[in-house]
Amino acid sequence: DGGITQSPKYLFRKEGQNVTLSCEQNLNHDAMYWYRQDPGQGLRLIYYSQIVNDFQKGDIAEGYSVSREKKESFPLTVTSAQKNPTAFYLCASSISTSGGTDTQYFGPGTRLTVL
Amino acid sequence: QQQVKQSPQSLIVQKGGISIINCAYENTAFDYFPWYQQFPGKGPALLIAIRPDVSEKKEGRFTISFNKSAKQFSLHIMDSQPGDSATYFCAASRDDKIIFGKGTRLHILP
Repeated sequence: DGGITQSPKYLFRKEGQNVTLSCEQNLNHDAMYWYRQDPGQGLRLIYYSQIVNDFQKGDIAEGYSVSREKKESFPLTVTSAQKNPTAFYLCASSISTSGGTDTQYFGPGTRLTVL
Repeated sequence: QQQVKQSPQSLIVQKGGISIINCAYENTAFDYFPWYQQFPGKGPALLIAIRPDVSEKKEGRFTISFNKSAKQFSLHIMDSQPGDSATYFCAASRDDKIIFGKGTRLHILP
C-alpha cells in the first residue's frame, strides 16, 4: 500500500517548544516538500528537497528546519522562533524535479495548534 | 510574475448544475497546470491536469479548458453532486517550481 504518511494527525504545542512533524513516503520519489495551509491563504511552500542530504528554503522558511537523511523521510521541525505556528501542515512528494514537471502527491496533513 | 489568481473564493451550485472555477497566471514559462481537490481535514489530491499544447481535457464530469493566449484556465464540473463539495486548488508549474491558487470552496446544494 504505497503512499505518503504524516504523523501525528493532531499536535498540540506549548509556546516556546520545538515540535517535529513526521513525513514518510514509500513511493520511491526523489523530491519531497513541506507546505503550510492557512484559511484563505492556499498552500505556501516551507522547504523542499530534491535529493538526500540536500534541501532548499521555500517562501516561508523562517522558524522551520528540515532534514533529509533518508530518501523516504523528510521531517519538519517547527521551532520556537516561528511566531504563528498554528496551521495545517502538508507534506508532498514527486518523482523527480529534474527534466520536467512531475505531479505532487500529498499526505493527509498534520494540524498543529499552539496552546 | 509568479502569481496564480483563482476565482471565485467560494461557490454555491445546485445539484446537477455546472460548477466553474477560473484561474489566471502570469509566467508564460509554466508548462503544467494541475487541479487539486481537498476535503476538510485531508490532503489535496490530484483531480485533473493539462499541458499547454492542448486546449481542453476531459475526465468524466471534470473538464479543464485552457486558453494559452489569455493565460487562463478553468475547471468545469458537469452534473455537480453533493460529494463534489470540497476546496479546489489550481496550480501552475515548471520543473521544481509550482504555484498554487488560493483555493475555491465549492458547496453543492442537495
